[in-house]
Amino acid sequence: DQQVKQNSPSLSVQEGRISILNCDYTNSMFDYFLWYKKYPAEGPTFLISISSIKDKNEDGRFTVFLNKSAKHLSLHIVPSQPGDSAVYFCAASGINTGKLIFGQGTTLQVKP
Amino acid sequence: ETGVTQTPRHLVMGMTNKKSLKCEQHLGHNAMYWYKQSAKKPLELMFVYNFKEQTENNSVPSRFSPECPNSSHLFLHLHTLQPEDSALYLCASSPPGTRAETQYFGPGTRLLVL
Repeated sequence: DQQVKQNSPSLSVQEGRISILNCDYTNSMFDYFLWYKKYPAEGPTFLISISSIKDKNEDGRFTVFLNKSAKHLSLHIVPSQPGDSAVYFCAASGINTGKLIFGQGTTLQVKP
Repeated sequence: ETGVTQTPRHLVMGMTNKKSLKCEQHLGHNAMYWYKQSAKKPLELMFVYNFKEQTENNSVPSRFSPECPNSSHLFLHLHTLQPEDSALYLCASSPPGTRAETQYFGPGTRLLVL
């Protein structure tokens, strides 16, 4: 049973517009959520995270929103740039689990 | 530069072969991980080592055999693999006692089993 789901395998956005990547989870014990970015031929790199005590965390062009009641989080990138084109993985962890559970990833393409 | 290197980057092997994947980190971390990423599937945690001791085996078949001789090196020994084992194998490391975001990944080994 997949505990972290990214239901959109791909997303295409025009440069300068907003990119919204979505992620759903099922385990209410998760208390920390992360987004990783992966370019081809490279390993995933940490992008931004959010604790369950918050509903928003912002870092430059990247903002993560958490809706605990809906067990949903999203990553907003604004303005989107062609260099943002990559695969984005959502991940979750809990104090009790002590490990990362990843979603399947969403491939973002930002067109110039 | 993440400081985590993996060799080889690509590997093609037959089902009767024995091969090993190598991971090395130069970040001074004490925890190391093996993940498997199959096409269109999430990253799956396989093994976790803390201070050279295996602390997690995520129900991985015995044809995958990890080895951690020291905190900087991690191996994954492969033998009698199946075609469905073809995937991207990622190594990661992290300092002990920290939250999950401090995992640093290597570039991965793309494995094809024929």
